[in-house]
Amino acid sequence: KNEVEQSPQNLTAQEGEFITINCSYSVGISALHWLQQHPGGGIVSLFMLSSGKKKHGRLIATINIQEKHSSLHITASHPRDSAVYICAVKPNYGGSQGNLIFGKGTKLSVKP
Amino acid sequence: SQTIHQWPATLVQPVGSPLSLECTVEGTSNPNLYWYRQAAGRGLQLLFYSVGIGQISSEVPQNLSASRPQDRQFILSSKKLLLSDSGFYLCAWNYNSPLHFGNGTRLTVT
Repeated sequence: KNEVEQSPQNLTAQEGEFITINCSYSVGISALHWLQQHPGGGIVSLFMLSSGKKKHGRLIATINIQEKHSSLHITASHPRDSAVYICAVKPNYGGSQGNLIFGKGTKLSVKP
Repeated sequence: SQTIHQWPATLVQPVGSPLSLECTVEGTSNPNLYWYRQAAGRGLQLLFYSVGIGQISSEVPQNLSASRPQDRQFILSSKKLLLSDSGFYLCAWNYNSPLHFGNGTRLTVT
């Protein structure tokens, strides 16, 4: 079993829909990252969080440390949101800040 | 503002040939620097990280090496490429902040 599991693997939505992507992990962590990878491969960091909830524009990320679970929500989805969304955790057993365990990603496609 | 440059964007190399991928960061000093690889159908994996000039830590044994000759320059190298080295290579930096990624290099070893 992977230490970081994302669901769903693939998601197709209609423009305007509310989208939720889930991430579950099995290790103790000091931080969780949500990343966005566009078709060309470039990756943008969306959120880094260790508790509670963060919001940026139409994106909301939440984390429940006790349940070892995080969700990424997209409100009023748009075709430009189409990308692969990756969850990554920083284990609290040491190593560099970039020593993350990555999920395999959720491929989102938003249709107009 | 800080920017990260990674090149080349794509590369096709024969088995046994050498490799050199370069990454530079602008607008920050003493960043932590990272090389990741994303193999087909798999998640990202940290290959090397560096907290300062000449300081390199390797996370997985492999055919690759890394060097940091200057504060904001990080180089990924191989003396002889293997087919299994094919993948998407990403450079990233941070300093007590979220990671900032380069645009990546897609390497195909033939």
